[in-house]
Amino acid sequence: KQEVTQIPAALSVPEGENLVLNCSFTDSAIYNLQWFRQDPGKGLTSLLLIQSSQREQTSGRLNASLDKSSGRSTLYIAASQPGDSATYLCAALNSGGSNYKLTFGKGTLLTVNP
Amino acid sequence: DTAVSQTPKYLVTQMGNDKSIKCEQNLGHDTMYWYKQDSKKFLKIMFSYNNKELIINETVPNRFSPKSPDKAHLNLHINSLELGDSAVYFCASSQVPGSNQPQHFGDGTRLSIL
Repeated sequence: KQEVTQIPAALSVPEGENLVLNCSFTDSAIYNLQWFRQDPGKGLTSLLLIQSSQREQTSGRLNASLDKSSGRSTLYIAASQPGDSATYLCAALNSGGSNYKLTFGKGTLLTVNP
Repeated sequence: DTAVSQTPKYLVTQMGNDKSIKCEQNLGHDTMYWYKQDSKKFLKIMFSYNNKELIINETVPNRFSPKSPDKAHLNLHINSLELGDSAVYFCASSQVPGSNQPQHFGDGTRLSIL
């Protein structure tokens, strides 16, 4: 059974700082690893998806890395802005035959202070 | 031009009632999902449908019955509501999960049981 853990649970930083969010998963036989953002009262927005054969993905100021063998992924946010404040969720996709199941961590609540 | 839309956004009702939540996606996706996010913000898969066929059913009480009239719609009916059903329910959709494309989420339905 896949379990996903995110550290830290909450993070508060001043604007402009670079930061790293951590994600670990117990079953390394993943199909892909996904990072989402959730704003209060809203659904999840996909940020980055790293396929199992890839090591990292980048989008703007965001960079996500994947180390499948050690069961770890990190989300790096460069030059943080107040608009980055949200909960960031990591999710691992595993397949069981034709069934694909996404298992989420509990998220990291990020606050970027102006 | 909302991609995944859920109704209602808020649902307040009494214990023992029966209620339904509707979900529609206009992305042309084959697969739809229901997730439950509890008071601790933990997001867990409940059901997944691929082309109107149930493919994932995660140990959810049989008071919960999903129905997919066509591949663009996945509704959730809940019988005999209990206090523990209070949560935010998210609908999501994706292309076939093995396509390495992210899931798209609705804004959620906040269910409160009195």
